[in-house]
Amino acid sequence: KQEVTQIPAALSVPEGENLVLNCSFTDSAIYNLQWFRQDPGKGLTSLLLIQSSQREQTSGRLNASLDKSSGRSTLYIAASQPGDSATYLCAVNPDTDKLIFGTGTRLQVFP
Amino acid sequence: DAGVIQSPRHEVTEMGQEVTLRCKPISGHDYLFWYRQTMMRGLELLIYFNNNVPIDDSGMPEDRFSAKMPNASFSTLKIQPSEPRDSAVYFCASSLTATSSYEQYFGPGTRLTVT
Repeated sequence: KQEVTQIPAALSVPEGENLVLNCSFTDSAIYNLQWFRQDPGKGLTSLLLIQSSQREQTSGRLNASLDKSSGRSTLYIAASQPGDSATYLCAVNPDTDKLIFGTGTRLQVFP
Repeated sequence: DAGVIQSPRHEVTEMGQEVTLRCKPISGHDYLFWYRQTMMRGLELLIYFNNNVPIDDSGMPEDRFSAKMPNASFSTLKIQPSEPRDSAVYFCASSLTATSSYEQYFGPGTRLTVT
């Protein structure tokens, strides 16, 4: 059974720091992996999607990497800003349909 | 496109009442998913449809839960009778096969409180 874990569960950093959020999954047979952002009381916003054949994806200050063989993905946020404060969720897609979500990392960036 | 639309955004009901949550997926998307989010269990998939047909309902917690998709632009999740432990945020999401990325787009959610 696929399990997805995110470390750390919470993170508090000063503005301007570069940071890394970690996601690990137990079964390397995945179709793709998605990173989402969730603001308090809101829905999920897709940030990046990495296909199983890809190693990384970039969008602005965000960079996500995927190492399928080791069951790991990282989300790198450069030059963090208070507006980045949110919960970040990773989710693996085992076979083109349903997503299995991690437990999330709650990020706070303070001025 | 307006994105995935869910209604109502908030629902407060008493135990034993029937609750119906509604979802309109992104036009043209052929997959529709219902998720539930709680502090204890995180985000869980309840059921999903492909071309209006239920594919996997193994996540539906009990027979009190049912979901339908009568057409490509509308789906409902019904709880009858509702219980306090059903209190959660329910999300609907959709995706498009043709892009081959299967990226899921989420609605804003319905916050359900059962007293």
